[in-house]
Amino acid sequence: AQSVTQPDIHITVSEGASLELRCNYSYGATPYLFWYVQSPGQGLQLLLKYFSGDTLVQGIKGFEAEFKRSQSSFNLRKPSVHWSDAAEYFCAVGAGQGAQKLVFGQGTRLTINP
Amino acid sequence: DAGVIQSPRHEVTEMGQEVTLRCKPISGHNSLFWYRQTMMRGLELLIYFNNNVPIDDSGMPEDRFSAKMPNASFSTLKIQPSEPRDSAVYFCASSPTSGSWTGELFFGEGSRLTVL
Repeated sequence: AQSVTQPDIHITVSEGASLELRCNYSYGATPYLFWYVQSPGQGLQLLLKYFSGDTLVQGIKGFEAEFKRSQSSFNLRKPSVHWSDAAEYFCAVGAGQGAQKLVFGQGTRLTINP
Repeated sequence: DAGVIQSPRHEVTEMGQEVTLRCKPISGHNSLFWYRQTMMRGLELLIYFNNNVPIDDSGMPEDRFSAKMPNASFSTLKIQPSEPRDSAVYFCASSPTSGSWTGELFFGEGSRLTVL
């Protein structure tokens, strides 16, 4: 069965520092991979996705992620975080018919220190 | 354009009562998803529909849960009877799947259910 592991439940970084959020997936075929962000009291919003091609994908709000098949990883990065990046981040893998069925990781809560 | 609209935003009810959560997807989106979010279990897919037809309901926890999509602009998730362990935030999401699937789900703001 498909699964996603986000090893870090909570990460704190200083504003302006770089960020990397880890994601490992388990899937038998070529995965469709996603990162979503959830602000408090809100639904989830897509940051970026990987379907095929270039393994480094760019997303909104200055985020990027790199797909590494050998490591079954899809880590999210940002060179310099802003206070507004404080939120919960979810990695997901697409499975099922047409890969519509997204399986989400447990999420990583990001706190930004001023 | 309006996003996915869910109602109610908050519901507090007593154990044994029936709960109905409602969702209006984005116009033109033909896939609709119901997710449940809890601290313990994270985000779980309960059921999803394509063109108003349920495709996968394997995530529905038990017979107390049912979901319908009578038309392209409306879906309900019903819990009868409700139990305290059903307390969670329930999200509805929609997605355009005609043609190439983009993979993007558009989420509503959620319905926070508390069962006492």
